[in-house]
Amino acid sequence: RKEVEQDPGPFNVPEGATVAFNCTYSNSASQSFFWYRQDCRKEPKLLMSVYSSGNEDGRFTAQLNRASQYISLLIRDSKLSDSATYLCVVNPMDSSYKLIFGSGTRLLVRP
Amino acid sequence: DAGVIQSPRHEVTEMGQEVTLRCKPISGHNSLFWYRQTMMRGLELLIYFNNNVPIDDSGMPEDRFSAKMPNASFSTLKIQPSEPRDSAVYFCASYVGTVNTEAFFGQGTRLTVV
Repeated sequence: RKEVEQDPGPFNVPEGATVAFNCTYSNSASQSFFWYRQDCRKEPKLLMSVYSSGNEDGRFTAQLNRASQYISLLIRDSKLSDSATYLCVVNPMDSSYKLIFGSGTRLLVRP
Repeated sequence: DAGVIQSPRHEVTEMGQEVTLRCKPISGHNSLFWYRQTMMRGLELLIYFNNNVPIDDSGMPEDRFSAKMPNASFSTLKIQPSEPRDSAVYFCASYVGTVNTEAFFGQGTRLTVV
């Protein structure tokens, strides 16, 4: 089983739609979680960290469910510029600070 | 700061040749990663350094791959001999190694082995 798993998509949604992605992780001891965004042929960049109580940044909301070992990302009022691949990232906290990336979920926002 | 700097940006080489990829992390960052990205396998962690010491190299595919970090401002990833299946984008990333921190990626090296 992969350490971090995501639905590859693509999710094809119209502008203004609300879309949600889930990501599951295998190591129950994991403590740190992030969402990164990667545009086509570019490097990944941090979108937001995911905190235990859930957190929001404008149109983006991230949540953590420890019992079921998944994190989610909700995007409201989708913009064309949101089209990208969204990567779920976990720090497994196995005495190191390495970051394990999921394969990513591709989002296409159409006019 | 100029960010994480990788070179070359693109590399095309023939099978069997040695390839060296270079990375300059952000000054002050004490953790450095090398990742490989392909369509089939996504982003794979190859090796992780902390304070110039390799902490986890379990992702290095095989003996053909080696990585070094001789000082805090430079790291290399070497493939010898290269094979077509090594074709991928190789990313270097650095961060200050604490729990909730942002990793900064270089622009990547697109490697094609023919």
